[in-house]
Amino acid sequence: QQQVKQSPQSLIVQKGGISIINCAYENTAFDYFPWYQQFPGKGPALLIAIRPDVSEKKEGRFTISFNKSAKQFSLHIMDSQPGDSATYFCAAGYSGGSNYKLTFGKGTLLTVNP
Amino acid sequence: DADVTQTPRNRITKTGKRIMLECSQTKGHDRMYWYRQDPGLGLRLIYYSFDVKDINKGEISDGYSVSRQAQAKFSLSLESAIPNQTALYFCATSDLAWETQYFGPGTRLLVL
Repeated sequence: QQQVKQSPQSLIVQKGGISIINCAYENTAFDYFPWYQQFPGKGPALLIAIRPDVSEKKEGRFTISFNKSAKQFSLHIMDSQPGDSATYFCAAGYSGGSNYKLTFGKGTLLTVNP
Repeated sequence: DADVTQTPRNRITKTGKRIMLECSQTKGHDRMYWYRQDPGLGLRLIYYSFDVKDINKGEISDGYSVSRQAQAKFSLSLESAIPNQTALYFCATSDLAWETQYFGPGTRLLVL
């Protein structure tokens, strides 16, 4: 059972454009939603994260939008740059109980053309 | 992240061989994780450990075992490697706040 569904699988954007990656989750117990960024040959690294008590979080050009009722969240990259080309993973986790772990989406390969 | 190191970085082995992947961290974190990454499948959790006495199976633990030798060391073993274990393997750590996981550079494993 895939608990976090991510789309699209790949995305090509022109420099200066907006990149949008979407994720949907099933488990309503999830209360933490991070996005990880992975460059080729490197391990993933935390990019930005949100908790469901807010609907949006912005850090520089990166914004998470969260819709609790729809069980969906998305990453928006404004003014996309070639240096943003990477694989992006959404994830979900919950802090209750003893099961502290993240469930990752399948990833989105973003290519930003110059 | 240099604080989390993995050895070897690349490994080619044959079906049926035993292989161990090692992870060391200098971040002082109690929690360590092993993930497997396959194209189109994302990151899947193999095993995780919250301290040296605590080992837990993840979603795809069959065919794998782990050892937590110390707070800083967490090893993943394939007792009898098979070709469908060919993948990129990542170790990660987190502190008691658990949310942020710090990943190592990965080990690329090819099983022939």
